[in-house]
Amino acid sequence: DQQVKQNSPSLSVQEGRISILNCDYTNSMFDYFLWYKKYPAEGPTFLISISSIKDKNEDGRFTVFLNKSAKHLSLHIVPSQPGDSAVYFCAASAQTGANNLFFGTGTRLTVIP
Amino acid sequence: NAGVMQNPRHLVRRRGQEARLRCSPMKGHSHVYWYRQLPEEGLKFMVYLQKENIIDESGMPKERFSAEFPKEGPSILRIQQVVRGDSAAYFCASSAVVGTSYEQYFGPGTRLTVT
Repeated sequence: DQQVKQNSPSLSVQEGRISILNCDYTNSMFDYFLWYKKYPAEGPTFLISISSIKDKNEDGRFTVFLNKSAKHLSLHIVPSQPGDSAVYFCAASAQTGANNLFFGTGTRLTVIP
Repeated sequence: NAGVMQNPRHLVRRRGQEARLRCSPMKGHSHVYWYRQLPEEGLKFMVYLQKENIIDESGMPKERFSAEFPKEGPSILRIQQVVRGDSAAYFCASSAVVGTSYEQYFGPGTRLTVT
């Protein structure tokens, strides 16, 4: 049972444009959400997180938006750079900061120079 | 400041052998998590440990898999009598208390191949 879903397996964007990666979840108990970036043969790298008490969190070029009523979150990267090309995983947990994360299946972002 | 360390990076085992995967958390981190990633899938939680304690092992297969995080030394994920279906990337993550959020930081993974 996939509780966190990333329905787009891949996304291509021109350099300088905005990349929007989407994530949906089914468990209403999730209250903490994270985005990770992963390069081949490496572990996931933490990018940005958001607590359910917020609807937006921004860090440089990265912004995460949370819509609790729709059980949807998105990651915006602007402007996109070729170095952003990687697989992006959305993750969620049911208690703020606690133990296991539930991961989506990932979206492969390709930024075209 | 070294990140999460895992070794070996690649491990090849024949069916029926044992696999031991090691994880050293980031300095100052006392929470360790193990995840498994099968090809073309996301990461799946296996087990969460603190020093000398298993806190949550709800994602661990019931047989052949065990994990420990001793007072001294790395965390170990042990797979006995490996089968081909155990072939996967195994990632360890660690975290520390930071306010009310515990971002998990991942190691580079161990790629287990069972032949």
